[in-house]
Amino acid sequence: AQTVTQSQPEMSVQEAETVTLSCTYDTSESDYYLFWYKQPPSRQMILVIRQEAYKQQNATENRFSVNFQKAAKSFSLKISDSQLGDAAMYFCAYRSAYGTQAGTALIFGKGTTLSVSS
Amino acid sequence: KAGVTQTPRYLIKTRGQQVTLSCSPISGHRSVSWYQQTPGQGLQFLFEYFSETQRNKGNFPGRFSGRQFSNSRSEMNVSTLELGDSALYLCASHSWGNTGELFFGEGSRLTVL
Repeated sequence: AQTVTQSQPEMSVQEAETVTLSCTYDTSESDYYLFWYKQPPSRQMILVIRQEAYKQQNATENRFSVNFQKAAKSFSLKISDSQLGDAAMYFCAYRSAYGTQAGTALIFGKGTTLSVSS
Repeated sequence: KAGVTQTPRYLIKTRGQQVTLSCSPISGHRSVSWYQQTPGQGLQFLFEYFSETQRNKGNFPGRFSGRQFSNSRSEMNVSTLELGDSALYLCASHSWGNTGELFFGEGSRLTVL
């Protein structure tokens, strides 16, 4: 079974600084998807960034980028120029790419709470 | 475009009762997934529906059930509530396909006393 581990329960960063959130996963599959989701205090989860395992190039979305190391099964999220609105819980998630039965069931890590100070 | 709507947002039940939660997906999305979020266990997949059929199920007891209607709206039901069922229940809607992004609702906060 696949597992996702986020080893940092809490992180803090100052405005305008850069922070990196760690995520490792375990799988025997070669094709899969990895995601970072953000859950602000209002609780609605939103997608931050997505990475397809078959793509070697790291995904980037504005101030958010990932460092995807497939061999090491590592998928870290870098937030540049941090803003107060980035304060939230961040979840790393895995989804199999195989077959319709795999569906879209996400396997989540336990989350990292990010606080941003001014 | 309206987002995913979950009702009720908050509810309190007592042990042994049953509860039904509702989820209206984004218009055009035919697939709905449910997740349970607790401080101890984190986010856990409950089940997924597409075109009124359950396509995938997580590792939860039979007290947890769901269904999907022809308009893609979904309900989940928890019978014989236990204290451990207290959680935030999140619904996500998406277009069918393994690359589809999941759009989450704000959740239903269930407290079991």
